[in-house]
Amino acid sequence: NAGVTQTPKFQVLKTGQSMTLQCAQDMNHNSMYWYRQDPGMGLRLIYYSASEGTTDKGEVPNGYNVSRLNKREFSLRLESAAPSQTSVYFCASRRSLAGGQETQYFGPGTRLLVL
Amino acid sequence: GDSVTQMEGPVTLSEEAFLTINCTYTATGYPSLFWYVQYPGEGLQLLLKATKADDKGSNKGFEATYRKETTSFHLEKGSVQVSDSAVYFCALTDNNDMRFGAGTRLTVKP
Repeated sequence: NAGVTQTPKFQVLKTGQSMTLQCAQDMNHNSMYWYRQDPGMGLRLIYYSASEGTTDKGEVPNGYNVSRLNKREFSLRLESAAPSQTSVYFCASRRSLAGGQETQYFGPGTRLLVL
Repeated sequence: GDSVTQMEGPVTLSEEAFLTINCTYTATGYPSLFWYVQYPGEGLQLLLKATKADDKGSNKGFEATYRKETTSFHLEKGSVQVSDSAVYFCALTDNNDMRFGAGTRLTVKP
């Protein structure tokens, strides 16, 4: 099992450019999540997907869009990157949305720098 | 809304010292509580968890007890090693959402 994988590992963008961050999991999990990690602020939820075909906003969704392509894959798109989106992005998955006892599993992260 | 507050770092200890990282939470329901660890350049890994009051989670010599009366979930280890150097995150989840603390960086010196 690879667990949760993310591509790319590192990306540099210019302001206004667009890009898509890819995430895939091979654990047959229903729920998937995108977080951003900024110094001193922990992880903040951008979007999540409870199951294939559904997506919902998290705490900081502005400037992002997501697609739950199938059960395995959940992508995050920046349509017009801004320096404020410089961050480390983590994808995570969990077996189901409901059931607070369940563990989230994280990918290795994508480090994004917007100039 | 639900939130987690953990002690600010960084924390620097000598090898074999005792570790405590404080974590308190605010929640309207009955959350599950987690400690995650992040090693340099990696994603978060679950360290331990507790799902109800008075439960003790433990793993790799670390432990934390879910204290409902003090709304706390402090992380402890009796004797830290250099390999424990990492960032530690306290988190809670109450069904849909997982909320994280800001993280505490631990450095253990030989």
